[in-house]
Amino acid sequence: EDQVTQSPEALRLQEGESSSLNCSYTVSGLRGLFWYRQDPGKGPEFLFTLYSAGEEKEKERLKATLTKKESFLHITAPKPEDSATYLCAVRGAGGTSYGKLTFGQGTILTVHP
Amino acid sequence: KAGVTQTPRYLIKTRGQQVTLSCSPISGHRSVSWYQQTPGQGLQFLFEYFSETQRNKGNFPGRFSGRQFSNSRSEMNVSTLELGDSALYLCASRPGGAALYEQYFGPGTRLTVT
Repeated sequence: EDQVTQSPEALRLQEGESSSLNCSYTVSGLRGLFWYRQDPGKGPEFLFTLYSAGEEKEKERLKATLTKKESFLHITAPKPEDSATYLCAVRGAGGTSYGKLTFGQGTILTVHP
Repeated sequence: KAGVTQTPRYLIKTRGQQVTLSCSPISGHRSVSWYQQTPGQGLQFLFEYFSETQRNKGNFPGRFSGRQFSNSRSEMNVSTLELGDSALYLCASRPGGAALYEQYFGPGTRLTVT
């Protein structure tokens, strides 16, 4: 069974203080690792897809990286508007994974001005 | 392109009642997945529909069911509601083509069972 563990559960940063969020996973045949951002009362917003170890993707102050066992979401010089819950998910191989993303519990990021 | 839309956004029901939630995917997307999100369990997969066929189902009781129409719109139904069914129900769509697995979520339907 696919599993995703995110750490830390919560992270409080000062504006401009860079940090990283971790996502450890076990999956049978990785078809993709996904990062989402979720604001309170809203649906998750898609950020990145990573497919293979060594891959990196960037978007504004966010950079996602992938190894064979974990992914990191690096946040450079965060701003208060980056405050949100960041979710990591994986999609495995095989028929039991059709349309199914397995999510971690998320990291609640708070950036103070 | 318009995003995924879900109706209603909020719903209050009583134990024992049934409820139907609706989802309209992004235009051109043929796959629709449903998830339940609660503070304790996080996001959990309910089922996936592609071209009107259910291809996958999560570990939820038979009270949870769904369907997809020829225009890719989807509905999910929960019968005999229980207090524990209170949650945010999220619908997500994707094109359905090979190697395109990222899903795009709607705003959700907040269901409260009293």
